[in-house]
Amino acid sequence: RKEVEQDPGPFNVPEGATVAFNCTYSNSASQSFFWYRQDCRKEPKLLMSVYSSGNEDGRFTAQLNRASQYISLLIRDSKLSDSATYLCVENAGNMLTFGGGTRLMVKP
Amino acid sequence: EAQVTQNPRYLITVTGKKLTVTCSQNMNHEYMSWYRQDPGLGLRQIYYSMNVEVTDKGDVPEGYKVSRKEKRNFPLILESPSPNQTSLYFCASSPSGTSTQYFGPGTRLTVL
Repeated sequence: RKEVEQDPGPFNVPEGATVAFNCTYSNSASQSFFWYRQDCRKEPKLLMSVYSSGNEDGRFTAQLNRASQYISLLIRDSKLSDSATYLCVENAGNMLTFGGGTRLMVKP
Repeated sequence: EAQVTQNPRYLITVTGKKLTVTCSQNMNHEYMSWYRQDPGLGLRQIYYSMNVEVTDKGDVPEGYKVSRKEKRNFPLILESPSPNQTSLYFCASSPSGTSTQYFGPGTRLTVL
């Protein structure tokens, strides 16, 4: 089974810091990629899709590197409310594979 | 309000007692799927459905059954639950398998 790997963390950062997560995937046939956010004991929610050209949504920037088979998420000016687990997801065909998640803790 | 609902939200049962977890969406989505989430293992796909009467196995289908008789509903059936099926279960729906997944609130199942 193809794998999606993430550093589980936790990443402990102060408010206002910039933090970056990487996620590697092994399935070269993967078609689409996403970052989801999951708060403790809650359902995952889409944070952003990841495009080959890279995309930005406010303080969040996602990048895809197909040659090296990784995707990244950059969070600028971290807020306390950014504390959560971030899941990277790859889709090949109609099956989705989730990474184990990276936990972020933003401290005052 | 567009949503995915699951019932029950919490369930404690005993080994071998058949149970069904219901999932319903009101967004007219064609794609629905079930996941289980376990510490250290992340979310793993159990089954998915591309449309009514079309279902397929995900990564961990053993011990589970599903059906898709109506577009809005996708129940997960455990015919003979075992303790290793104790987990947090999420149902999700989306317009297609390659687009944004909308998750239900989760069902926490404990099998004694």
